Amino acid sequence: DIQMTQSPSSLSASVGDRVTITCRASQSISIFLNWYQQKPGKAPSLLIYAASNLQSGVPSRFSGGGSGTDFSLTISSLQPEDFATYYCQQSYSTPNTFGPGTKVDF
Amino acid sequence: QVTLKESGPVVVKPTETLTLTCTVSGFSLSNTRMAVSWIRQPPGKALEWLARIFSNDEKSYSTSLKSRLTVSKDTSKSQVVLTMTNMDPVDTGTYYCVRDVIEVMATGGINWFDPWGQGTLVTVSS
Repeated sequence: DIQMTQSPSSLSASVGDRVTITCRASQSISIFLNWYQQKPGKAPSLLIYAASNLQSGVPSRFSGGGSGTDFSLTISSLQPEDFATYYCQQSYSTPNTFGPGTKVDF
Repeated sequence: QVTLKESGPVVVKPTETLTLTCTVSGFSLSNTRMAVSWIRQPPGKALEWLARIFSNDEKSYSTSLKSRLTVSKDTSKSQVVLTMTNMDPVDTGTYYCVRDVIEVMATGGINWFDPWGQGTLVTVSS
């Protein structure tokens, strides 16, 4: 199975900050990397697919990049509704695997 | 509008078998560009993919849980069923049913999970 890691595991930020979360795969996964946002008590929702494609309806302050083993999710200007936990997920091979998550809070 | 809704027991006893049903609407289980996956999340922990069923009835499972899982579907009822045998307290968590969108890109086939069901919390306790 492909192992996914994320850093940092948590971060404290303020409204308006630029925030970057990184995700690393244990082997090359091309661009087969997706990002999800999960707010407390809610199901996750898709933010980015195929490393850099913004899901319809997701604000443009979210962006994704990377390929191979190293990926990033950037929030250009953090908004109050962005405080949540973010997960990366590889779809290069089955079983699909998730990163451990990055919690963004105040 | 695409929706998925999980249903099943709230509490199961250790060693029992869990059966969860996912009822979907807004898309067909016979759509070749879609599948349905089950994903779980223990309280306060990360997400774990469990199983997937494709439109052609092909199935795939988590490596570590393969021996305990079975996924099936009834296309006419728009339902997908997950069974997990020999439940243990460590299996406590929220179980999500999700639509698996499959796209063929220049670099190959890719899938992503969208949307997710609301989830159902399953507690394993005697």
